[in-house]
Amino acid sequence: DAGVTQSPTHLIKTRGQQVTLRCSPKSGHDTVSWYQQALGQGPQFIFQYYEEEERQRGNFPDRFSGHQFPNYSSELNVNALLLGDSALYLCASSLPAQNTEAFFGQGTRLTVV
Amino acid sequence: GDSVTQMEGPVTLSEEAFLTINCTYTATGYPSLFWYVQYPGEGLQLLLKATKADDKGSNKGFEATYRKETTSFHLEKGSVQVSDSAVYFCALNDYKLSFGAGTTVTVRA
Repeated sequence: DAGVTQSPTHLIKTRGQQVTLRCSPKSGHDTVSWYQQALGQGPQFIFQYYEEEERQRGNFPDRFSGHQFPNYSSELNVNALLLGDSALYLCASSLPAQNTEAFFGQGTRLTVV
Repeated sequence: GDSVTQMEGPVTLSEEAFLTINCTYTATGYPSLFWYVQYPGEGLQLLLKATKADDKGSNKGFEATYRKETTSFHLEKGSVQVSDSAVYFCALNDYKLSFGAGTTVTVRA
């Protein structure tokens, strides 16, 4: 089992650009969540996808959008990048139940210059 | 909304010392509680979990008990090793994870 895989591992973008991050969930998982982890802080919930629909959303602007594909993989898109968007972006997969544990990928380190 | 508050670090210990990291939570429902660990340059790994009050989660010598009366889930380990050096996050899961700010632990030989 490959676990949760994310690509790319590192990315450098210029302010104002757009970026797409990708995630493949752990085998058997159908729910994908995205988190933003700024340096020295805990991860912050961005949104969650289940059955190709956004099921929950955290306190992030509309510049952050996502998509889930029929094979449960997911993309996170960020438009009009700001310097403050520089962070580690983590993808987690799980089953949809309330108490289920989430498995995390290694993350994508995004640097906005 | 749901939130988690955990002891601020950094924490520096000698090998074989006792480790405790305090964690308290605020939640409207009955969430599951987790401790995740993050090693340098890596994602998060689940360390242990508890799904209801009075449950004790344990793994690799670490333990934490879900205390509903004190809304706490403190992490403990009786004898730490250098390999336990990492950042530890307390989290609650009510369909999504809410994390504490993390506690950096450094264990010196």
